[in-house]
Amino acid sequence: SQELEQSPQSLIVQEGKNLTINCTSSKTLYGLYWYKQKYGEGLIFLMMLQKGGEEKSHEKITAKLDEKKQQSSLHITASQPSHAGIYLCGADNSGNTPLVFGKGTRLSVIA
Amino acid sequence: EADIYQTPRYLVIGTGKKITLECSQTMGHDKMYWYQQDPGMELHLIHYSYGVNSTEKGDLSSESTVSRIRTEHFPLTLESARPSHTSQYLCASSDPTRTSGSYNEQFFGPGTRLTVL
Repeated sequence: SQELEQSPQSLIVQEGKNLTINCTSSKTLYGLYWYKQKYGEGLIFLMMLQKGGEEKSHEKITAKLDEKKQQSSLHITASQPSHAGIYLCGADNSGNTPLVFGKGTRLSVIA
Repeated sequence: EADIYQTPRYLVIGTGKKITLECSQTMGHDKMYWYQQDPGMELHLIHYSYGVNSTEKGDLSSESTVSRIRTEHFPLTLESARPSHTSQYLCASSDPTRTSGSYNEQFFGPGTRLTVL
């Protein structure tokens, strides 16, 4: 079965610093989704990657998928308190099955 | 913003009670899902549906049941709640044919936080 490993499990950074969250799959991915969750709320879609080597950016967040389509990273530049939350990666194995999620990374941004 | 709703948002009940968690979406999506999220943040798929009258069990064994009589509605029922059911329950929907041929983006509701005493 599909397994996703996320690292680190938690992260505390000072405002203005850059950070990276990683997501590694045990299988080649059809698609990789990044979501953000604020405590006690639902997941908000950030980005989806499907092609090997693909990179997407939105505001100060950049996501990449490696050529083998088994590893993805989420990079935040110049972090702000609004970036705080839980980041989850979700694996799509075929384009037609429920997403399998990693255990999440809890990000705290301190002033 | 996704049009998927969950009620109630918070629920505290006693052991043995029967409860139904409601989930509705107005996007006309065929696929709907229920996830259980533990305090450690991990999401576990407990039920999913690919359309009306279609329901499947997910990866995590659950004592809950679901039904899909209408496209927009996917309620989850616990016949007899126990403290081990205390968790956050998240509903989601998707439909690759409507957003893009290759997208399987799942839209999530705000969640129901259930506490069983």
